[in-house]
Amino acid sequence: GQQLNQSPQSMFIQEGEDVSMNCTSSSIFNTWLWYKQDPGEGPVLLIALYKAGELTSNGRLTAQFGITRKDSFLNISASIPSDVGIYFCAGRADSGTYKYIFGTGTRLKVLA
Amino acid sequence: GAVVSQHPSRVICKSGTSVKIECRSLDFQATTMFWYRQFPKQSLMLMATSNEGSKATYEQGVEKDKFLINHASLTLSTLTVTSAHPEDSSFYICSARATTGINYGYTFGSGTRLTVV
Repeated sequence: GQQLNQSPQSMFIQEGEDVSMNCTSSSIFNTWLWYKQDPGEGPVLLIALYKAGELTSNGRLTAQFGITRKDSFLNISASIPSDVGIYFCAGRADSGTYKYIFGTGTRLKVLA
Repeated sequence: GAVVSQHPSRVICKSGTSVKIECRSLDFQATTMFWYRQFPKQSLMLMATSNEGSKATYEQGVEKDKFLINHASLTLSTLTVTSAHPEDSSFYICSARATTGINYGYTFGSGTRLTVV
């Protein structure tokens, strides 16, 4: 099935550093969601974006809906060890359905 | 609020048997639920959309006779993996869409790890 491209695939960072990851698509999306998944668990919603250009924060997390509607960015400030996990973007292209396509994921590892 | 319960969390079955996985929305009604499959270190792949009171909509390449979906009530969808084989071993995750109230949005269950031996 179709997937969104996320980068980087994985990253090691030091505790306290800021983290940036992005998600790109060849087609336009009208909703973007960012999720975090811990091992053996289902994804947990972090941030939802509904309008092009929208910038939304949730604590240390900030996400943006790209102006072109083909990309989205997630930033984590001052990372802490519990930020470890896999981050997925998910996009919805067709407002007539409720289906979301998931990105390939960014695996984050934080070094204390 | 917006809790989705998935059961069982882990199941091991013999090749050729069938396994049923339940997905329940505990504190909201969900007319639409989604079933995903996730292989190790890979992304979530949508298998099908489960619609309350009607037939599920399957994604291309997903065998509907292999993965039976029933959404008989506004709080329960079930996925039955029929005649399971080792290649069906995977992590299956459901999500539910709340349509009203403060729970509006999509919530995922905690997943079911299926191992077929």
